[in-house]
Amino acid sequence: AQSVTQLDSQVPVFEEAPVELRCNYSSSVSVYLFWYVQYPNQGLQLLLKYLSGSTLVKGINGFEAEFNKSQTSFHLRKPSVHISDTAEYFCAVSGYGGNTPLVFGKGTRLSVIA
Amino acid sequence: EPEVTQTPSHQVTQMGQEVILRCVPISNHLYFYWYRQILGQKVEFLVSFYNNEISEKSEIFDDQFSVERPDGSNFTLKIRSTKLEDSAMYFCASKATETQYFGPGTRLLVL
Repeated sequence: AQSVTQLDSQVPVFEEAPVELRCNYSSSVSVYLFWYVQYPNQGLQLLLKYLSGSTLVKGINGFEAEFNKSQTSFHLRKPSVHISDTAEYFCAVSGYGGNTPLVFGKGTRLSVIA
Repeated sequence: EPEVTQTPSHQVTQMGQEVILRCVPISNHLYFYWYRQILGQKVEFLVSFYNNEISEKSEIFDDQFSVERPDGSNFTLKIRSTKLEDSAMYFCASKATETQYFGPGTRLLVL
């Protein structure tokens, strides 16, 4: 079984400042890792994913994340945030295998302040 | 770009009534999922479906829930007798390989 911990439930940050949203996971097997974003009153949109290969992955809207196997982390970063980045961000993991469901963290609400 | 679609976007129902939530997965995807998100909480897995049968379900997915793929395009979630605690956003997702793509959700309110 897997579990995901997002350490920060809310992160306020000023516009154009950098941000890091933290995600740690626990799993007895190898996993795929994902970040999804949920804008107000909308569904879940894939931001980026780590499947294999380079541990630094780049996603949409200037976000990137780094997979650290030894620390079982997959932190999300952006060097300069915009007001439009205000949203809920969910880290998720899944095991390998066709039907494996996603296990989500509780989410981090990013609020960008002008 | 292909998308997962869901209908209705909102549904209000009385406790004890049956509801059917509908999803149209991306056309070449073979794996289908339902998740729910109670207001202010995390997204929780309900059920996965592959090759016309349930492949995995969570403890939330009890006898009140059922899923069906009635034709080649639709994927439905039925709640037989709704309870107040079924009020949530329900998301459908589909995938071809590793990555699940989500629909916009159906917000269900049980009164």
